[in-house]
Amino acid sequence: DVKVTQSSRYLVKRTGEKVFLECVQDMDHENMFWYRQDPGLGLRLIYFSYDVKMKEKGDIPEGYSVSREKKERFSLILESASTNQTSMYLCASSFPRGVANEKLFFGSGTQLSVL
Amino acid sequence: AQRVTQPEKLLSVFKGAPVELKCNYSYSGSPELFWYVQYSRQRLQLLLRHISRESIKGFTADLNKGETSFHLKKPFAQEEDSAMYYCALTFRNTDKLIFGTGTRLQVFP
Repeated sequence: DVKVTQSSRYLVKRTGEKVFLECVQDMDHENMFWYRQDPGLGLRLIYFSYDVKMKEKGDIPEGYSVSREKKERFSLILESASTNQTSMYLCASSFPRGVANEKLFFGSGTQLSVL
Repeated sequence: AQRVTQPEKLLSVFKGAPVELKCNYSYSGSPELFWYVQYSRQRLQLLLRHISRESIKGFTADLNKGETSFHLKKPFAQEEDSAMYYCALTFRNTDKLIFGTGTRLQVFP
């Protein structure tokens, strides 16, 4: 069974702190994604990685960076957390298009509160 | 830019009533469309995709390129269908998936 694991279910941080959100997948997926989920705004793509050390900006990358040093791990970094980054963060992974079973598999989410 | 629009934030129906969750997209080429669902306290998961032309849990969705729509339908709603539904789009030369704002479906007994 595919597993996408996000290291924390709930996280509380202070404004200005550097925050790391970790995601690990065990299905050897090439693609990994970070979304934030907000009521009324749906899922918005922050960053996308299609290979180790490769990344692509999504729709809302400002204030975030990512790291993919190993295929199974994709980290989201908030360099200086702000209150408007309070949100549910979802990690997902998938095979590339054209490969069987190319759907996204999601983690259970990290609810980040920035005070 | 590519965009997915779900005009309804909330859709409430009674058990046994037909359901249609609307999804419109903007993309000039040939997209691939998906519906994802999130049940209470569960992970977001794929419900169906247009290329499979499948019916999952009684739901179907037809891609209408003329109207740029991919509405999700079910003839008889069940209480267990209550969930958050997201329409999503991917397009040529990318694996990125763009989501809509979601529609919460409430099915009352």
